[in-house]
Amino acid sequence: EAGVAQSPRYKIIEKRQSVAFWCNPISGHATLYWYQQILGQGPKLLIQFQNNGVVDDSQLPKDRFSAERLKGVDSTLKIQPAKLEDSAVYLCASSLVRGPSGNTIYFGEGSWLTVV
Amino acid sequence: AQSVAQPEDQVNVAEGNPLTVKCTYSVSGNPYLFWYVQYPNRGLQFLLKYITGDNLVKGSYGFEAEFNKSQTSFHLKKPSALVSDSALYFCAVRDGLMGFNKFYFGSGTKLNVKP
Repeated sequence: EAGVAQSPRYKIIEKRQSVAFWCNPISGHATLYWYQQILGQGPKLLIQFQNNGVVDDSQLPKDRFSAERLKGVDSTLKIQPAKLEDSAVYLCASSLVRGPSGNTIYFGEGSWLTVV
Repeated sequence: AQSVAQPEDQVNVAEGNPLTVKCTYSVSGNPYLFWYVQYPNRGLQFLLKYITGDNLVKGSYGFEAEFNKSQTSFHLKKPSALVSDSALYFCAVRDGLMGFNKFYFGSGTKLNVKP
């Protein structure tokens, strides 16, 4: 079974530029998560989708970050304009909605962003 | 609110010795607890979870974790550490009270296994 796919793996941009990250969850996983992980810290939830609806975006900086999940499968996270403090790893994850396996979240390899 | 705490930023252990990485939790309701490992330049990889049942949970790569309800702890253990176990370890708790999954992660513990 294929895991969570993310691209690009690495990106370096200048401040005030824009960047987009793409995620394809595990097949059949209705819940998709975007986390931000700053070096030396644990993952922080940015936004969570269930199918194509948002269930939690309380920690998403909406003045610069946006995310969408069209058709309830792939998702894109965009940052515009980027700030230096956005340098982090952006982790996409997915899980089933319910059932024993729905209690486990699976991560992709991450998209590493450096803003200079 | 649900939360987990990892009191040690770093744990150092010699290869072949037993290791313990500590985690304490605070939850409303029954705890669903997890351990993940992160190798350099990689995403988080699922190790094991406690949902219910036996307090000793076995997972990948020889790791196990002991759930202790009275001490609200879920410590990760391995009887004999390997150099290749050196990585960042995260404890997590699941909150399902809102009708959907929410996961909260600790700040991580860096495990250094020396030859």
